[in-house]
Amino acid sequence: KNQVEQSPQSLIILEGKNCTLQCNYTVSPFSNLRWYKQDTGRGPVSLTIMTFSENTKSNGRYTATLDADTKQSSLHITASQLSDSASYICVVSASGFQKLVFGTGTRLLVSP
Amino acid sequence: DTAVSQTPKYLVTQMGNDKSIKCEQNLGHDTMYWYKQDSKKFLKIMFSYNNKELIINETVPNRFSPKSPDKAHLNLHINSLELGDSAVYFCASSQAPGVGGTEAFFGQGTRLTVV
Repeated sequence: KNQVEQSPQSLIILEGKNCTLQCNYTVSPFSNLRWYKQDTGRGPVSLTIMTFSENTKSNGRYTATLDADTKQSSLHITASQLSDSASYICVVSASGFQKLVFGTGTRLLVSP
Repeated sequence: DTAVSQTPKYLVTQMGNDKSIKCEQNLGHDTMYWYKQDSKKFLKIMFSYNNKELIINETVPNRFSPKSPDKAHLNLHINSLELGDSAVYFCASSQAPGVGGTEAFFGQGTRLTVV
């Protein structure tokens, strides 16, 4: 069964601190993995897209890693800002399929 | 200009009513989607259209009927609304279906509350 699990479910950190969010997936055959940021009351917005051959990809203070062997990905946020408070959703696409498998997300709260 | 826009943003209605949610994208994309996000924030695909043709139809009650008058629009009509239909419905679009690395752009969502 294609599944995407994320941890932790929620996280509170102080402004300026770093944090790492985890994503484990069982989607097969794997095509690509995306991290989305969803602000409250808004639709998800893509942060990074990674294919099988990519191990790491950065987008500003966001750095995603991918280990296709262990089927794990992480999203590292550096020097967090209050605006980073949102839900972060890991989404995996299977080859040959036209739909995305969504994780349930990690809700991040950056506190001043 | 909003890339993917949905209307209305909020919808409160009584059980048994029929309602529609509209979606428009100005990105020139070929594929549009409807997703449902439940109370646990889990996003599940409902339908996908490519150039006005239905390509994905998940296990969704037939009270839900998508309609795509052209490739820039994908509307969702819901008949005989039930309490369990309460959720946030997201419209999305992408350049092509199933293409590796294709990014989906999401609308802001329509929060449907059935009372």
